[in-house]
Amino acid sequence: GQQLNQSPQSMFIQEGEDVSMNCTSSSIFNTWLWYKQDPGEGPVLLIALYKAGELTSNGRLTAQFGITRKDSFLNISASIPSDVGIYFCAGQGGSEKLVFGKGTKLTVNP
Amino acid sequence: NAGVTQTPKFQVLKTGQSMTLQCAQDMNHNSMYWYRQDPGMGLRLIYYSASEGTTDKGEVPNGYNVSRLNKREFSLRLESAAPSQTSVYFCASARLLDNQPQHFGDGTRLSIL
Repeated sequence: GQQLNQSPQSMFIQEGEDVSMNCTSSSIFNTWLWYKQDPGEGPVLLIALYKAGELTSNGRLTAQFGITRKDSFLNISASIPSDVGIYFCAGQGGSEKLVFGKGTKLTVNP
Repeated sequence: NAGVTQTPKFQVLKTGQSMTLQCAQDMNHNSMYWYRQDPGMGLRLIYYSASEGTTDKGEVPNGYNVSRLNKREFSLRLESAAPSQTSVYFCASARLLDNQPQHFGDGTRLSIL
């Protein structure tokens, strides 16, 4: 089945710094999604990408659908304490169901 | 507010007990899903329902059954709970099955002793 490799597993940064994380897949995807999960809550959709090369922003967040269709990137600019949480990528290709990465745990030091 | 509602939020069971986790969505979505989330494992699909009246196995269906009661509700049943089923369970819904973002509930934290 399809597999996702999400990196890094965790990040410790200072408030105000920029953050980058990525996901790579073993096969081609038609959809990339990025979610954020706060402690004790369910994942919340941040950005959805449907086209190779697509670059989409949501406030300080920017995500890109890689041109090879096997990767995606999420950047957070000027991090703030409320950015703390676990970020998940998810991808879907062909008739396969959505598959999730294992998450990147982000810690922001004030 | 519109969304996905899961009950209960917490539950402790003894090995061998049965339990049904409830999920309801009010977004008129066709597709619904059950996931489990374990430390270091991410989200793994247990069962899904593409539309009312249909259900299919996901990646880790063993030990579980589901019922799509109507368009709004999708329940997950553990017939004989085992310690390996200790996990956080998430229900999600999407307008359609393919290439649609899923909207998640806040989870049910289940411990099996």
